[in-house]
Amino acid sequence: AQSVTQLGSHVSVSEGALVLLRCNYSSSVPPYLFWYVQYPNQGLQLLLKYTSAATLVKGINGFEAEFKKSETSFHLTKPSAHMSDAAEYFCAVSETTNFGNEKLTFGTGTRLTIIP
Amino acid sequence: GAGVSQSPSNKVTEKGKDVELRCDPISGHTALYWYRQSLGQGLEFLIYFQGNSAPDKSGLPSDRFSAERTGGSVSTLTIQRTQQEDSAVYLCASSLETGETQYFGPGTRLLVL
Repeated sequence: AQSVTQLGSHVSVSEGALVLLRCNYSSSVPPYLFWYVQYPNQGLQLLLKYTSAATLVKGINGFEAEFKKSETSFHLTKPSAHMSDAAEYFCAVSETTNFGNEKLTFGTGTRLTIIP
Repeated sequence: GAGVSQSPSNKVTEKGKDVELRCDPISGHTALYWYRQSLGQGLEFLIYFQGNSAPDKSGLPSDRFSAERTGGSVSTLTIQRTQQEDSAVYLCASSLETGETQYFGPGTRLLVL
């Protein structure tokens, strides 16, 4: 079964600084990988996804992530943090179950705080 | 177009009572998923619907949990004889087909007293 590890349950960065949120995955097959963001009291919003095309994936709000097979990583970055980026971020891997459906397995999440 | 909607947004109930949570997926989406987000367990998959059938119920934590989907659209998640450990945010997601991107609703925050 697939699994996802997010290093750092809390990350704080200064406004304008680089954002780096780490995600490592375990998968027996080429994975589909996702980053979702959750703002307070809201559902999950898709930031970006990797589906075995380009290894550098660009998403919304200036975020991007790079798939590195050798490191089994899919870290999320943004060059310059904005106050509005404060939220919780979830990395997820998709697996095809024995029932034929796609199921998302999520990491435990990283809460990003932006320091003014 | 409208996204995934869920109701109620918040539900407080007493231990032992039954609750029903509703999900309206994006129109035309054939696949529907329920997830649970709790402090101790993070985000967990509960059940998957393709049309009205639920081929994958592997994530339901106990037989107190059930779900149905009618008309290939609205889904209801029912929790019978609620327990305090059922307190969580229940998220619904839908996708055009299985394997496509899942879009999430805002969730129902359930508190069992």
